[in-house]
Amino acid sequence: EPEVTQTPSHQVTQMGQEVILRCVPISNHLYFYWYRQILGQKVEFLVSFYNNEISEKSEIFDDQFSVERPDGSNFTLKIRSTKLEDSAMYFCASMLGYEQYFGPGTRLTVT
Amino acid sequence: GDSVTQMEGPVTLSEEAFLTINCTYTATGYPSLFWYVQYPGEGLQLLLKATKADDKGSNKGFEATYRKETTSFHLEKGSVQVSDSAVYFCALEYSGGYQKVTFGTGTKLQVIP
Repeated sequence: EPEVTQTPSHQVTQMGQEVILRCVPISNHLYFYWYRQILGQKVEFLVSFYNNEISEKSEIFDDQFSVERPDGSNFTLKIRSTKLEDSAMYFCASMLGYEQYFGPGTRLTVT
Repeated sequence: GDSVTQMEGPVTLSEEAFLTINCTYTATGYPSLFWYVQYPGEGLQLLLKATKADDKGSNKGFEATYRKETTSFHLEKGSVQVSDSAVYFCALEYSGGYQKVTFGTGTKLQVIP
């Protein structure tokens, strides 16, 4: 069964550094998403992406964040200058119809 | 705005006990409702869904009925197993387009032998 994959599974970075989280959505899907889950809290929407542009973003998704689909298969989330509070699990999701399929997540730890 | 409220956890049950996890929602329209499960160390998996009022979603012995009159989508299972230990998230989404999923806070279930 097709699945969304994410790399790396765990990323440790120092405050102020840039990180790129990578996702490979299901191949024929058209809509792409990033969510995050701070430890012990609920899953929060960050951004949706369709037709090579952002469709919607939350208030969390400020200028430090950006998304890109550079080559038609990968979907990336970049955090330009990480803060301690960016430590979280980041989930990628993709959708064709109305059901979103989630990846296993990348745990980002900012020290 | 839309929101989902779940009962606080953790919930601890003995194997074969009956499970109910309450979920209520606030929505401006008519969303689809979902339960996702997150096993320890893993990502989110769709457990079941219901797309309109009075629909019942079911999977792996779990059930939930979309109740528009009480804006609820409670998760139930008649006999839980140790392998059901996980965090359960209630969620809503509007069909069509690029709509985001709105999640509840999650309820941790621990089943003891």
